Amino acid sequence: DTAVSQTPKYLVTQMGNDKSIKCEQNLGHDTMYWYKQDSKKFLKIMFSYNNKELIINETVPNRFSPKSPDKAHLNLHINSLELGDSAVYFCASSQDKTTGSLNTEAFFGQGTRLTVV
Amino acid sequence: DAKTTQPNSMESNEEEPVHLPCNHSTISGTDYIHWYRQLPSQGPEYVIHGLTSNVNNRMASLAIAEDRKSSTLILHRATLRDAAVYYCILGDNYGQNFVFGPGTRLSVLP
Repeated sequence: DTAVSQTPKYLVTQMGNDKSIKCEQNLGHDTMYWYKQDSKKFLKIMFSYNNKELIINETVPNRFSPKSPDKAHLNLHINSLELGDSAVYFCASSQDKTTGSLNTEAFFGQGTRLTVV
Repeated sequence: DAKTTQPNSMESNEEEPVHLPCNHSTISGTDYIHWYRQLPSQGPEYVIHGLTSNVNNRMASLAIAEDRKSSTLILHRATLRDAAVYYCILGDNYGQNFVFGPGTRLSVLP
């Protein structure tokens, strides 16, 4: 069983569209994250959720919104897609009792390659 | 900006030990040192982490300098499957600085 799974793996869409990327973890973790890996291969955290509460929100555009229907899922919704949103998006989770720090092992999904044309 | 600096790339021969260095001169007292690696077309994978003492696990060893301003990830016997980008990152207690730097691209030669 895949610990952290994301769908879709590839997503090609036009500018201005709204899209979602789904993420599920079956590890029983209480913290989930979204990272963005840009063309320069830098990985940067976008959001993290701990027990349904947003605890980190980096300076990302408000077109991006995380949605957590339950502890095992953290979906990423993106409105009005722009060319600069093209990147690989990774979901991750960890068992963390504090405020979403990476002081415990984090498990990453395989990534979703988003291409905006 | 990443709070760590690593060489851009390193090469190793198969079945030889590899020492991957990382400098983190601005580390705070509560920062943990984490190592992750990313194989081609995959998500990052946890390797090891530590605070002050050296750490060993089935994948690698982590040697932490006494002043904690640098650390070294040690792969005891490199295999072709260890070819990846290795990231050294610091995790603070408030989760605000999780920027992975460019990492070190490790090539393993047969």
